[in-house]
Amino acid sequence: TQLLEQSPQFLSIQEGENLTVYCNSSSVFSSLQWYRQEPGEGPVLLVTVVTGGEVKKLKRLTFQFGDARKDSSLHITAAQPGDTGLYLCAGYTEMAGSQGNLIFGKGTKLSVKP
Amino acid sequence: GAVVSQHPSWVICKSGTSVKIECRSLDFQATTMFWYRQFPKQSLMLMATSNEGSKATYEQGVEKDKFLINHASLTLSTLTVTSAHPEDSSFYICSAPQGANYGYTFGSGTRLTVV
Repeated sequence: TQLLEQSPQFLSIQEGENLTVYCNSSSVFSSLQWYRQEPGEGPVLLVTVVTGGEVKKLKRLTFQFGDARKDSSLHITAAQPGDTGLYLCAGYTEMAGSQGNLIFGKGTKLSVKP
Repeated sequence: GAVVSQHPSWVICKSGTSVKIECRSLDFQATTMFWYRQFPKQSLMLMATSNEGSKATYEQGVEKDKFLINHASLTLSTLTVTSAHPEDSSFYICSAPQGANYGYTFGSGTRLTVV
């Protein structure tokens, strides 16, 4: 059974601080996806990383895929209150003849205080 | 981009009644739709996978007779919670895959409260 360990589960910081969220697994993934979810809404895709060692930047957010494609991190620089939300990592594994398998981490609930 | 429209956004129903949740792909064809359940402050738990024109695949522990899934067309998948009980109260979300490198597109979710 594939597992994706996401940490920390909760994070409360002041505006302007930096933070990093981690996702780790013993399994290799075809890709790793990061989503953000607001209360009462469905998750929205932020980024997909595919290649081992890949780094993608989305404004103040930096996503990295581990060289072995088993882990990933999300780093936010100078966090703002608008960054508050639930961040979910999800590992995707291709499966022959089907749509593949996507498993989610437990999520990191981020609160950025002004 | 791809949009999945989910309705209703919230519903309150009495114990013993049935509730239908719809997910429509608005600008693409979704041969597969995933249905998730999310409890407060927790992550998404996959309930079942619906495939257009064939029977849904349910995850272990999910009662297929209680959570009826129909994927009658390439743009519509429905989840019906039958004989709902208070413990079925949860946030239900559907999603359609866009390919391995493009992530999944999620509906906006349905908050079900059974009283």
